[in-house]
Amino acid sequence: DTEVTQTPKHLVMGMTNKKSLKCEQHMGHRAMYWYKQKAKKPPELMFVYSYEKLSINESVPSRFSPECPNSSLLNLHLHALQPEDSALYLCASSRGLGTEAFFGQGTRLTVV
Amino acid sequence: AQSVSQHNHHVILSEAASLELGCNYSYGGTVNLFWYVQYPGQHLQLLLKYFSGDPLVKGIKGFEAEFIKSKFSFNLRKPSVQWSDTAEYFCAVRGGSQGNLIFGKGTKLSVKP
Repeated sequence: DTEVTQTPKHLVMGMTNKKSLKCEQHMGHRAMYWYKQKAKKPPELMFVYSYEKLSINESVPSRFSPECPNSSLLNLHLHALQPEDSALYLCASSRGLGTEAFFGQGTRLTVV
Repeated sequence: AQSVSQHNHHVILSEAASLELGCNYSYGGTVNLFWYVQYPGQHLQLLLKYFSGDPLVKGIKGFEAEFIKSKFSFNLRKPSVQWSDTAEYFCAVRGGSQGNLIFGKGTKLSVKP
């Protein structure tokens, strides 16, 4: 199994809603990542987890809250988002911090 | 902090033409270098990677890249492109082992049949 699975594939939410994005991998990887990708732009790093501990937070607003409940799962909790937060949210994992990352298909988020 | 520059925004080629996409990075220490491809409507896939050793690395689908340390470059090449190579190509760099994989702005490749 060489997949990173993200759910849901699409999400539309209002600015007062609370929702969560989920990411799962069963490759035994110990590093997991959240990226944000706007249309026609490269992925931008948001968070890095290593051995279930937050390793990097790239100055992401607190309305995005990551959680790593175990080594296979990574969540991104969303609350009070703005329309400009609409983007493709990508999850990735890697064996360790220094190895290549494998990406999921992403969640296409629209904030209305 | 590291950064990545991809100089070509959009490249248009005919089938069988040769391809070279430029990538330059800035980082003073040891780097890991990657090329990812994103086909229309699909997720990012790893094309090839460089960690150490032979500076000429071969990847999937006939792609290769050469690491030139003195030029801080990691250009992607393919001798003969196909229509199916139409995609967005991202160069990425990780400085040291800190985990922050940074992407270039991407190069859109359009191959005309």
